[in-house]
Amino acid sequence: GAGVSQSPSNKVTEKGKDVELRCDPISGHTALYWYRQSLGQGLEFLIYFQGNSAPDKSGLPSDRFSAERTGGSVSTLTIQRTQQEDSAVYLCASSLGLAGMGVSQFFGPGTRLTVL
Amino acid sequence: QKEVEQNSGPLSVPEGAIASLNCTYSDRGSQSFFWYRQYSGKSPELIMSIYSNGDKEDGRFTAQLNKASQYVSLLIRDSQPSDSATYLCAAHSNRDDKIIFGKGTRLHILP
Repeated sequence: GAGVSQSPSNKVTEKGKDVELRCDPISGHTALYWYRQSLGQGLEFLIYFQGNSAPDKSGLPSDRFSAERTGGSVSTLTIQRTQQEDSAVYLCASSLGLAGMGVSQFFGPGTRLTVL
Repeated sequence: QKEVEQNSGPLSVPEGAIASLNCTYSDRGSQSFFWYRQYSGKSPELIMSIYSNGDKEDGRFTAQLNKASQYVSLLIRDSQPSDSATYLCAAHSNRDDKIIFGKGTRLHILP
């Protein structure tokens, strides 16, 4: 596709269940980022991938959160034993290389997660 | 703790006037700065990036960077109602490749 795509667009789950969020970056983009945005808040960095590796996982809120990327393309963010405080919009972004000078991120539409 | 600070607003500006949005950052290792616009319920979209001290102009938008004072600003000339949105400032550090976002400033252009 032409842009970053994410699925599902909306997810409602019960507390304690596991959820899996998917991100399909722009073709050819080697860097992929996951962010979380709570209502009325800024973007909270979670994790980024350069290719298939994730050099920095320190942004993940707890060990219930994990992410993987295979084949240098699609990434999944998994939240185990969801809690109500996990409710937020989860945004994925990709860039040609690591975001910085001359390289900009492009965001997907997000997945709105609601934990009841 | 690296931080990017923005006034949450709302900032109300009459249509046709200049809107001035400001942002400060704490990490002196930050090298690249970005302004994103986010409409309610939508994902952020990149407006401008700036890496060097001074001004960078793109149409009605001008980004300004002062690394000595650690602030970044965005000017919007001839403000239009369609400019009403939340504007997010972000800073990237080459040291750890993290991009830190501010919480955003809500801008409201008054028709």
